[in-house]
Amino acid sequence: GENVEQHPSTLSVQEGDSAVIKCTYSDSASNYFPWYKQELGKGPQLIIDIRSNVGEKKDQRIAVTLNKTAKHFSLHITETQPEDSAVYFCAAGGDYKLSFGAGTTVTVRA
Amino acid sequence: DTGVSQDPRHKITKRGQNVTFRCDPISEHNRLYWYRQTLGQGPEFLTYFQNEAQLEKSRLLSDRFSAERPKGSFSTLEIQRTEQGDSAMYLCASSESTDTQYFGPGTRLTVL
Repeated sequence: GENVEQHPSTLSVQEGDSAVIKCTYSDSASNYFPWYKQELGKGPQLIIDIRSNVGEKKDQRIAVTLNKTAKHFSLHITETQPEDSAVYFCAAGGDYKLSFGAGTTVTVRA
Repeated sequence: DTGVSQDPRHKITKRGQNVTFRCDPISEHNRLYWYRQTLGQGPEFLTYFQNEAQLEKSRLLSDRFSAERPKGSFSTLEIQRTEQGDSAMYLCASSESTDTQYFGPGTRLTVL
């Protein structure tokens, strides 16, 4: 099955700086790569996703890049704000099943 | 609120008891998923419904676990003879026929 690895496990950044989280996946059949943000006591919230026919996607301060040849994808958050502090999960999947990374705890220092 | 809802939000039970959780998906979403999330980990896929049909079950879903979606709307997840290792957050998600899955707030189960 699919195996998703996510790095780093924790990330502390100064407010206004950028944050980058990287994920690798193992199954070349995966064609859908969402990113979720999870706050304490809540379910994961979709923040951005990308499909295999696209190399990059941007939504305001958030961008995701995908390299299918190398089987890795990354999340970039620019101009970080305190409300960006949360746990971020990458995932990879196909028709229905998502396999998640172990998460990155992001702390934005004011 | 038209998002995915789950009930209860928290459940504390004693080892050996049965528990049942409910998930109400986003209206008209024909796909429904159950995941389990333990502390410090990402969600793990348990099972998936397309309308009322259960199309796949993970090997994580032992014989003590059963899920139903009788009318293709809400779903229930039952755990029989709970064990301490069942303590986790149980997440439900729904989607249309596309990949995008929207998660509910989860049910946190604690087995004493």
